[in-house]
Amino acid sequence: QVQLVQSGAEVKKPGASVKFSCKASGYTFTSYYIHWVRQAPGQGLQWMGIINPDGGSPSYSQKFQGRVTMTRDTSTSTVYMHLSSLRPEDTAVYYCARDTGITMTNNWFDPWGQGTLVTVSS
Amino acid sequence: DIQMTQSPSSVSASIGDRVTITCRASQDISSWLAWYQQKPGKAPHLLIFGATSLQSGVPSRFSGSGSGTHFTLTIRSLQPEDFATYYCQQASSFPPAFGPGTKVGIK
Repeated sequence: QVQLVQSGAEVKKPGASVKFSCKASGYTFTSYYIHWVRQAPGQGLQWMGIINPDGGSPSYSQKFQGRVTMTRDTSTSTVYMHLSSLRPEDTAVYYCARDTGITMTNNWFDPWGQGTLVTVSS
Repeated sequence: DIQMTQSPSSVSASIGDRVTITCRASQDISSWLAWYQQKPGKAPHLLIFGATSLQSGVPSRFSGSGSGTHFTLTIRSLQPEDFATYYCQQASSFPPAFGPGTKVGIK
């Protein structure tokens, strides 16, 4: 079955960086875009960006431009997101989610990974 | 950027009740709207896309309607497993944006 499995929880100090992973299985990795969405504790969902596993430049939300980098490794069917200059307000669960469109973006997200909690605290 | 709002922010209902949640977009998004269900500690789950199309495997008691700027999600007969938070999301233009959520709780 289609599955996205994310890396484990992290605790970081302000100013540090974190790198998330999202390993895909059960489908052709390069055929579906991957989005990243985060959710602060008790809050709603915030879109961060999108990457095409088949290549091309990722697209990032203006809110995170300059701090976020999305990459992919086709040999392991894994997408990565690097977030730098962490601050306490970056404490959140970070999800990867597959776009439902085949070789195109519908911007519908299904399925989602299980999420990775990042806690930023001094 | 397109802004999404939802009402109510929370609703209390009983098993078997009909529940309706409203979502509004700050500009015309045609039918580029999705609904997600999220249970505590879990990732969101796609219920409806294209404003009215039911995602595979989603029970038929869920339905969506609307177009343009005004949309609704209806749960026809609330079941115990439906107590959750529901989010709408616009997919018309980048960046995709979610509404603030509606929590459906037990009365």
